[in-house]
Amino acid sequence: DIQMTQSPSTLSASVGDRVTITCRASQAISDWLAWYQQKPGKAPKLLIQKASSLESGVPSRFSGSGSGTDFTLSIGGLQPEDSASYYCQQYDSYPWTFGQGTKVEIK
Amino acid sequence: QVQLVQSGSELKNPGASVKISCKASGNTLTTYSINWVRQAPGQGLEWLGRINTRNENPTYAQGFRGRRIVFSLDTSVTTAYLQITSLKAEDTAVYFCARVVTPFSGMDVWGQGTTVIVSS
Repeated sequence: DIQMTQSPSTLSASVGDRVTITCRASQAISDWLAWYQQKPGKAPKLLIQKASSLESGVPSRFSGSGSGTDFTLSIGGLQPEDSASYYCQQYDSYPWTFGQGTKVEIK
Repeated sequence: QVQLVQSGSELKNPGASVKISCKASGNTLTTYSINWVRQAPGQGLEWLGRINTRNENPTYAQGFRGRRIVFSLDTSVTTAYLQITSLKAEDTAVYFCARVVTPFSGMDVWGQGTTVIVSS
């Protein structure tokens, strides 16, 4: 199975800050990577697929990059509504696997 | 916009079975696959597997290939099902269904989740 390792597990930042979450795959996955946002008690929401393709309706302050084994999700100009957990997920090969998640808190 | 609507919460005894439904609005699961993901209390997301809605071929995550879980579709392909047998306390979780529209896509539409509690 492909292991997905996210860091950090938790981050605290102020409104307006730029934050970056990293995700590393245990083997190359090309750009078959998605990012999800999940708020408490809600289903995950797809933000980005194919590593850098922003979903329709997702604010442009979210961006993704990377290929192979190393990926990043950036939020440029953190907003209060961005307080959530974020997960990366590879869909290069079965079984699909998620990172352990990053909880983003607003200071 | 398609929506996936899941069945309600379940409370089950250890050893029992549960069957969760995931119904697509607009009547048809016009998609590539329906995936199932679970989240134990306070934990991250775990992919359980998927069923191809065109040929009904299932793919199960490694830990479930003993067929303790089964994916199925109804004949009119409007509803997907997840059945779990021989429930254990560690199966207590929220179970989500999620749509994938092509073999090269992430999971873009999710059900609201179904809480399953396994307790005696």
